[in-house]
Amino acid sequence: EVQLVESGGGLVQPGGSLRLSCAGSGITLSDQYMDWVRQAPGKGLEWIGRTRNKANSYSTEYAASVKGRFTISRDDSQNSLFLQMNSLKTEDTAVYYCTRDNSFCTGGNCFTSFDIWGPGTMVTVSS
Amino acid sequence: AIQMTQSPSSLSASVGDRVTITCRASQGIGNDLGWYQQRPGKAPKVLIYATSRLHSGVPSRFSGSGSGTYFTLTISSLQPEDSGTYYCLQDSSYPLTFGGGTKVEIK
Repeated sequence: EVQLVESGGGLVQPGGSLRLSCAGSGITLSDQYMDWVRQAPGKGLEWIGRTRNKANSYSTEYAASVKGRFTISRDDSQNSLFLQMNSLKTEDTAVYYCTRDNSFCTGGNCFTSFDIWGPGTMVTVSS
Repeated sequence: AIQMTQSPSSLSASVGDRVTITCRASQGIGNDLGWYQQRPGKAPKVLIYATSRLHSGVPSRFSGSGSGTYFTLTISSLQPEDSGTYYCLQDSSYPLTFGGGTKVEIK
């Protein structure tokens, strides 16, 4: 069974740091585009970043709200994805999801769907 | 950033009803739009990608249409298991952006 599982969430003070992990099973993450999406309590979904696959040098994109503070990285030996979060703010409080970004091109058209999701991990930024 | 405006923000309908949710983009996004369903306490699930392509395993009562700036998700015959919140997502340009969500309640 293909599965993603996030871990590393918890309570952190404003200005602090936290590193989230996303472990894959039944799927080789180095072959995949992977994204992070978050959801503040009672709010909607917010895309925060993407890392392309190994063939595309693991290049990254970030939302303006986290650029310069958050960094996406990988460890192929652990089949894992990471989200390093620095300079955390109270507004970063959210459930964080990793998701497989099933981007593919066929017949000259390219498509994207977030087709595999982890259950999420809660991050609370509070003093 | 492209803004995605969903409407309505919530709706209540009966089993068997036809339900339509709309999503408007602040600028043209071609067909680069997907729809996601989220049940309370759960991760989202993809229903439709590229405006109208049904994800594997998704019931055929779900359909999507549109292009450019106006998109719709239609549930042809609402079922009890369709309750939840629905989000559109544009993947035409960075940053990717979700609509604000539509909460669907079964009467």
